[in-house]
Amino acid sequence: AQTVTQSQPEMSVQEAETVTLSCTYDTSENNYYLFWYKQPPSRQMILVIRQEAYKQQNATENRFSVNFQKAAKSFSLKISDSQLGDTAMYFCAFMKGNNDMRFGAGTRLTVKP
Amino acid sequence: EAQVTQNPRYLITVTGKKLTVTCSQNMNHEYMSWYRQDPGLGLRQIYYSMNVEVTDKGDVPEGYKVSRKEKRNFPLILESPSPNQTSLYFCASSFLGLAGYNEQFFGPGTRLTVL
Repeated sequence: AQTVTQSQPEMSVQEAETVTLSCTYDTSENNYYLFWYKQPPSRQMILVIRQEAYKQQNATENRFSVNFQKAAKSFSLKISDSQLGDTAMYFCAFMKGNNDMRFGAGTRLTVKP
Repeated sequence: EAQVTQNPRYLITVTGKKLTVTCSQNMNHEYMSWYRQDPGLGLRQIYYSMNVEVTDKGDVPEGYKVSRKEKRNFPLILESPSPNQTSLYFCASSFLGLAGYNEQFFGPGTRLTVL
């Protein structure tokens, strides 16, 4: 079974600074997808960024980028120029092609003014 | 507007009183699933459905039932709720492709408290 580990239960960062959230996973699959979801106080699950395992290039979405290390089974999220609206719970998730999705325990990020 | 809806959004009930949380999607998705979110555990899958009349257990199915009589609806049934089922519940849906990525769309969540 696939497992996803987020080793940082809580993190904080000053506004405008950069922060990196860690995620590791365990799988024997070769083809899969990785995601970072944001959950603000509204509790809505918002897709931040995704990475296909077959792509070597790291995904980027505006201020959000990932460092995908397939051999090390690592998938960290970097948030640049942090904003107060980035304060949220962040979940790392793994999905095989059959829609079977596994989530990490989450990292609560606080952006301080 | 493409969306997944859940009702109710908040529910406080008592042990043993049967309840149903509804989930509906308007995107003609084949795949639907239920998750529960608990502190320190993330989201864990309860049940999923590949299509009408096709359902299967996820990681934490005990104490729950589901049905998929229509493609758009996937209700979660708690026949005899217990306090350990107090949680935040999410319904999600997506297309079911044989290969490639299919984004999962999440509902707004249902906060359930069982006293």
